[in-house]
Amino acid sequence: SQQGEEDPQALSIQEGENATMNCSYKTSINNLQWYRQNSGRGLVHLILIRSNEREKHSGRLRVTLDTSKKSSSLLITASRAADTASYFCATPTGRYSGGGADGLTFGKGTHLIIQP
Amino acid sequence: KAGVTQTPRYLIKTRGQQVTLSCSPISGHRSVSWYQQTPGQGLQFLFEYFSETQRNKGNFPGRFSGRQFSNSRSEMNVSTLELGDSALYLCASSSTLGEQFFGPGTRLTVL
Repeated sequence: SQQGEEDPQALSIQEGENATMNCSYKTSINNLQWYRQNSGRGLVHLILIRSNEREKHSGRLRVTLDTSKKSSSLLITASRAADTASYFCATPTGRYSGGGADGLTFGKGTHLIIQP
Repeated sequence: KAGVTQTPRYLIKTRGQQVTLSCSPISGHRSVSWYQQTPGQGLQFLFEYFSETQRNKGNFPGRFSGRQFSNSRSEMNVSTLELGDSALYLCASSSTLGEQFFGPGTRLTVL
């Protein structure tokens, strides 16, 4: 079963507008990561937010995390054509708690299209 | 720092054959994870290696195996290939902060 679920599945906006994507998950987590993928290529790491953080910024990206609602959002401000991609949230599977890398569970992603 | 590299980038095999994929993590990263991405199932975790030991495993059959070498490079092997194994196979190396950085992937087509 999916741990993270992104919403909406697809989003089309005009260049310059802001894009917001949401992610919901089911179990307690210690961190959540967001990734971008262009046309079936490798995943690009965007941001990691820890469970004790509520908001994190990186350039035009803003990520929020609400552990009480088990949800996260990714905001891209002043969108550009190059932002057209699929965006995924990923949470640890929780199978390994030894402090190292845990396998990630991904949602189906949000496909973002920026219209010029 | 150079990113995660994967070889080969594309591979075509026939059913019943076996295949080995290779991954070199970011320098200094000791953890390597493998994922399979298909249109139907999305991204699924295969397994994770740290210091040559498999620490974590997803729900894949035993035909999928891997190993890690002392220099942290990792290989993934799929034996007795099936049509459903056609996918993009992604390797990720992890920082000590838990961030996973992905390579460009190997696109495997099974005919």
